Amino acid sequence: EAQVTQNPRYLITVTGKKLTVTCSQNMNHEYMSWYRQDPGLGLRQIYYSMNVEVTDKGDVPEGYKVSRKEKRNFPLILESPSPNQTSLYFCASSLPSGRPGELFFGEGSRLTVL
Amino acid sequence: GENVEQHPSTLSVQEGDSAVIKCTYSDSASNYFPWYKQELGKRPQLIIDIRSNVGEKKDQRIAVTLNKTAKHFSLHITETQPEDSAVYFCAASPTSGTYKYIFGTGTRLKVLA
Repeated sequence: EAQVTQNPRYLITVTGKKLTVTCSQNMNHEYMSWYRQDPGLGLRQIYYSMNVEVTDKGDVPEGYKVSRKEKRNFPLILESPSPNQTSLYFCASSLPSGRPGELFFGEGSRLTVL
Repeated sequence: GENVEQHPSTLSVQEGDSAVIKCTYSDSASNYFPWYKQELGKRPQLIIDIRSNVGEKKDQRIAVTLNKTAKHFSLHITETQPEDSAVYFCAASPTSGTYKYIFGTGTRLKVLA
């Protein structure tokens, strides 16, 4: 089954404790990206990756890091989480084929930073 | 910077009526305009999309129109049903160079039975 898998789905942590949210897709997609969803603000892009070892900032990259060492994985790293990073996070992938196309989203990871 | 404005933020319609959601984008390089539906507690899923070389696209009860001159596009849902109740997001993305997707802030649609 074609899917985007995120882990963990739910996490409560404390300020400053490094955490990683994993994202894996089995569709051989080149493009992967991370979004955060907050009430009234919609989906905001954090980082995206066009392919292995190619990453770029989205609209709200501060406080986040990513890496793309393998095509299927695109982890989101919070080096020192703060309460304003409490949010619902979505990973998504797409097969651009030379142009943007449908984004396939993971189920989301709800993060709470105390 | 680039942004996409979406209106209204909430919309209530009677079952069987039509619903229209409008979006305006700022980046004239945008050429791809998808619409996503997010049911409560679920992930966003694509329902329809349009590219700049097309002015209108229809898929059963759903249609999208695009006016590149005015930089706005709209989602039209006809004969609404209770299962259409969800949050709808528009987005805009350029087709060349970067693949940044700029989303609107969402419209919560409630279809009243």
